[in-house]
Amino acid sequence: GAGVSQTPSNKVTEKGKYVELRCDPISGHTALYWYRQSLGQGPEFLIYFQGTGAADDSGLPNDRFFAVRPEGSVSTLKIQRTERGDSAVYLCASSLVAGGWETQYFGPGTRLLVL
Amino acid sequence: AQTVTQSQPEMSVQEAETVTLSCTYDTSESDYYLFWYKQPPSRQMILVIRQEAYKQQNATENRFSVNFQKAAKSFSLKISDSQLGDAAMYFCALLYSGAGSYQLTFGKGTKLSVIP
Repeated sequence: GAGVSQTPSNKVTEKGKYVELRCDPISGHTALYWYRQSLGQGPEFLIYFQGTGAADDSGLPNDRFFAVRPEGSVSTLKIQRTERGDSAVYLCASSLVAGGWETQYFGPGTRLLVL
Repeated sequence: AQTVTQSQPEMSVQEAETVTLSCTYDTSESDYYLFWYKQPPSRQMILVIRQEAYKQQNATENRFSVNFQKAAKSFSLKISDSQLGDAAMYFCALLYSGAGSYQLTFGKGTKLSVIP
């Protein structure tokens, strides 16, 4: 595809349920990032992958959040035992390689609502 | 730790006029990168312009330019000849890559309205 895609666009779930959010990066991009954007705020970093490995997961808020990228392309963000405070837009970005100058290209996000 | 502050929650500009969005940041590092991203209602963040901290020359991209004041830790965005399509949320962001992480730190954003 031409850009970063994310599915689903919107997800409504009930408190305590498990959800998976998917990110398809731009083809050939080795670095992939997840951010969370709460209402009225800027995006906050969650985790970044270089290839298949999580190079920095310092932004994950707690152990209910987990992300994988098993083949170095598609990534899945997994949230267990969802809480109402997890409601936000989850943004994925990718870049050709990881580097300060490299542009991070963002997807349209998944809006998660936890009831 | 890095912080980014955008002190203008909302701004408006008349079509074809010029507007400046403010951004200040705090970092103890000397080598970093600064970005302005645009987020329309579609939610997709789009890079507008970027600046390397070690470059003194201000970046420009067509109608968009920045005023980078390193000593003051200020990074404002100027939009000239504003167009209706410029209406969006604008986020200032900083990236410090020295620790091997490439996370962007964002401000809270400025909502720009363009008046026809």
